[in-house]
Amino acid sequence: AQKVTQAQTEISVVEKEDVTLDCVYETRDTTYYLFWYKQPPSGELVFLIRRNSFDEQNEISGRYSWNFQKSTSSFNFTITASQVVDSAVYFCALKAGGSQGNLIFGKGTKLSVKP
Amino acid sequence: DAEITQSPRHKITETGRQVTLACHQTWNHNNMFWYRQDLGHGLRLIHYSYGVQDTNKGEVSDGYSVSRSNTEDLPLTLESAASSQTSVYFCASSSSGTTRGTQYFGPGTRLLVL
Repeated sequence: AQKVTQAQTEISVVEKEDVTLDCVYETRDTTYYLFWYKQPPSGELVFLIRRNSFDEQNEISGRYSWNFQKSTSSFNFTITASQVVDSAVYFCALKAGGSQGNLIFGKGTKLSVKP
Repeated sequence: DAEITQSPRHKITETGRQVTLACHQTWNHNNMFWYRQDLGHGLRLIHYSYGVQDTNKGEVSDGYSVSRSNTEDLPLTLESAASSQTSVYFCASSSSGTTRGTQYFGPGTRLLVL
């Protein structure tokens, strides 16, 4: 069975703090893909990043960074120097089961960044 | 620019009525999906399609149907709307090619069933 767990339901930080959003996944497949999506208060779902299971290199994009560790089945997301505009619900998702497998979403983490 | 659109963006209907939510994408993606989003449940897959004339049931398909007559559109029909179907509905599409299935989402439709 495939599963994504985002144990943090809500996180509140003050602007400029660093914050890490946790994501733990379960799959028996050796080939799979992991995703992060952002859902700001306006409601749309915005794709942030995709990683495949063969690439454990960490990724950095501006203030965003992602740490993928197969040994712990985790794909954590860190925002450095958070800003109010980072306030959103963040979803981690897993795609396994071959090229036509479907996305399994975690339940999301609501991040509130206060000024 | 390619995009994925949903209409209507907001809909109020009555219990028992048939409702159709439209989804149109210009990415030329083979794969299209419908999800519903509810508090405490995250996003749950309703139906999906891997191409024209192909449709498949997802996790929460009861009371919903889809049909795929062309590449661009996957309308979602609620046969007889129920209050439990009050939700936000998202359509998504993805390529089956080398991008390996990154799904891009439409803006969502808020449905209220009274």
